[in-house]
Amino acid sequence: AQKITQTQPGMFVQEKEAVTLDCTYDTSDQSYGLFWYKQPSSGEMIFLIYQGSYDEQNATEGRYSLNFQKARKSANLVISASQLGDSAMYFCAMSPSGGYQKVTFGIGTKLQVIP
Amino acid sequence: EAQVTQNPRYLITVTGKKLTVTCSQNMNHEYMSWYRQDPGLGLRQIYYSMNVEVTDKGDVPEGYKVSRKEKRNFPLILESPSPNQTSLYFCASSLLSGSTGEQYFGPGTRLTVT
Repeated sequence: AQKITQTQPGMFVQEKEAVTLDCTYDTSDQSYGLFWYKQPSSGEMIFLIYQGSYDEQNATEGRYSLNFQKARKSANLVISASQLGDSAMYFCAMSPSGGYQKVTFGIGTKLQVIP
Repeated sequence: EAQVTQNPRYLITVTGKKLTVTCSQNMNHEYMSWYRQDPGLGLRQIYYSMNVEVTDKGDVPEGYKVSRKEKRNFPLILESPSPNQTSLYFCASSLLSGSTGEQYFGPGTRLTVT
C-alpha cells in the first residue's frame, strides 16, 4: 500500500518569495513516481512536476522544483518567486511504476500568496 | 485541441436512480482513471483502465462500475446512487509508454445525490 502525507493544511507566502510545500510518502515499491498538481479556485487540476524514484537529479519545471530526498521519503515542492496566480490547492501524488496503475493523492495544501 | 471531456458537468439526482457520467479523451491515451474529490480527503481513485477491456479497482470502488469498450471513452456508472456519493468527480487520462505519467484531467462533474 502507498500513502501520501501533506501536513500543512494552509500556507501563506509573500509575493516574490519562495515557498516549500511538504510531502512525505510511504511505499513498498522500488520503482515509483511522484507528482505535484495544482488546483486553482476554478477547480481544474493542473500537472506541475514529476519525479521518478530512480532519477538522480531533482526535477525542475520553470519556477517549480521538487526537492526529492529518497532516504527520508520526502518530495517537497518548492515554488520560487511566488506570484498571486500561485494561490491554489496543491496536491502531492504517487504511483508505482511512475504513473500507471493505482495513484494515491495527499489531502492537499492551500497556498495563499499575499501581495 | 487535446482534452478530456466529461458530461454532465453538474448533476442533481435522487437516491437509487441509475446514472452515468461520461468521459472521453482525444489524445489516444491508453490509461484512464476516475477520481472523487471530497473536502479534507483529497482525490481518491475509484477505478482505472490500462487499455480497452482492462480495468481495475482503485481505493474506493464500492458503488461504482466502469467499462472500457473503446479507447477514448471511460464512463462511470452509479447503479444505485446514495447520498455518500455526493462528490466532485474527475476523469483523467495519460500515455502509458514514453511519458512521465502526467495525467490530463477533465473539468470535473459535481454530483449531488439527495
